[in-house]
Amino acid sequence: DAKTTQPPSMDCAEGRAANLPCNHSTISGNEYVYWYRQIHSQGPQYIIHGLKNNETNEMASLIITEDRKSSTLILPHATLRDTAVYYCIVIPGGSNYKLTFGKGTLLTVNP
Amino acid sequence: EADIYQTPRYLVIGTGKKITLECSQTMGHDKMYWYQQDPGMELHLIHYSYGVNSTEKGDLSSESTVSRIRTEHFPLTLESARPSHTSQYLCASRINLHNEQFFGPGTRLTVL
Repeated sequence: DAKTTQPPSMDCAEGRAANLPCNHSTISGNEYVYWYRQIHSQGPQYIIHGLKNNETNEMASLIITEDRKSSTLILPHATLRDTAVYYCIVIPGGSNYKLTFGKGTLLTVNP
Repeated sequence: EADIYQTPRYLVIGTGKKITLECSQTMGHDKMYWYQQDPGMELHLIHYSYGVNSTEKGDLSSESTVSRIRTEHFPLTLESARPSHTSQYLCASRINLHNEQFFGPGTRLTVL
């Protein structure tokens, strides 16, 4: 499975866009990029996923580079409630995958 | 809102006791998972199941055991609790590949 690299922490001002990077340079063609977040020891929450096209939903946007070796999760207008650990996870094709979490990025949204 | 439940939410128990952490989901998901997380640390997968009568050990070795007799129910048991088992235990479920994985609220276990 492709491994991911994320910065350990980031800060963002409330109301501004938060751009969280993820490097997955060894990703293979059938592997998807998923993002989850965990707010203060609650269960992780799904945010978004994509294969090669950019994706957007009500929570965030996911930008995947053309070579698929990196991606960026964008929270367009960060709020204090977005303070959390954000996990970038690469998942292979096939239904029986195991979702495993690394250290993620602690995003702190400041007032 | 995800329909996945864990009981108890908090448990303080003495060393040597047998405990069962309950996890139930009403979404009909085949795939269920148990994770363990110490405060401020990473989530570690300890058990998973792809359906009834199917259970596998996860990436982190655990002295706990699980069973999957019904689709909606995935209990985790510790035969003899020890202080090293003190942690938060999170249960999750998913229906298939590209659906989100839902997590329960967790059980915070303290073994004295």
